[in-house]
Amino acid sequence: EVHLLESGGGLVQPGGSLRLSCAASGFIFSSYAMSWVRQAPGKGLEWVSAITGSGGTTNHADSVKGRFTISRDNSRNTLYLQMNSLRAEDTAVYYCAKVLDTSGGYRPFGHWGQGTLVTVSS
Amino acid sequence: QSVLTQPPSVSGAPGQRVTISCTGSSSNIGAGYDVHWYQQLPGTAPKLLIYDNNNRPSGVPDRFSGSKSGTLASLAISGLQAEDEADYYCQSSDSSLRSRVFGGGTKLTVL
Repeated sequence: EVHLLESGGGLVQPGGSLRLSCAASGFIFSSYAMSWVRQAPGKGLEWVSAITGSGGTTNHADSVKGRFTISRDNSRNTLYLQMNSLRAEDTAVYYCAKVLDTSGGYRPFGHWGQGTLVTVSS
Repeated sequence: QSVLTQPPSVSGAPGQRVTISCTGSSSNIGAGYDVHWYQQLPGTAPKLLIYDNNNRPSGVPDRFSGSKSGTLASLAISGLQAEDEADYYCQSSDSSLRSRVFGGGTKLTVL
């Protein structure tokens, strides 16, 4: 059974940094592209960042480009999101998501973690 | 302002059929990118409901169906049940943004 467990959320001041982790189990981690998707309080879903199974290619939404970095450690079955220069508008629940299959391209998110809350406030 | 446009809310009585629309443009749905739908029950993570326009993952009842034509996609829910009350999101990809994009979400109320 696929299991995704996020951690690392919390309260941080504007301009601060935070690193989120997502521990994966139940599938061959290195075979699947992964993403981070966030949801601000009472708002909709926003795709944030994506990384291929090998980790060789990454992509970020314009709203976080230059501030956030997605990475993975396939030996530890763990996905990361390094968040720098945080702003109030980055406040959200951050979900780790696994694509449905290995077909390539923009595959849908077949499995989601339970999310971790990041609050940016002074 | 979301790239994909959904109605903020829809409602229906138990047993009825409701549809939720997802309107895109020539750079996303109209460009041929697949549309996927997610269900988010209150206080939980999203769950994949429909993928590649009209396919259901195992375990999703056949009361849920999807369609796509031109720049418009739709999710239909027949035989509405109380447990269907949730937020529903469409998702596709956009060639101009070079990213995945979501609709703003639709809150389904079962009367």
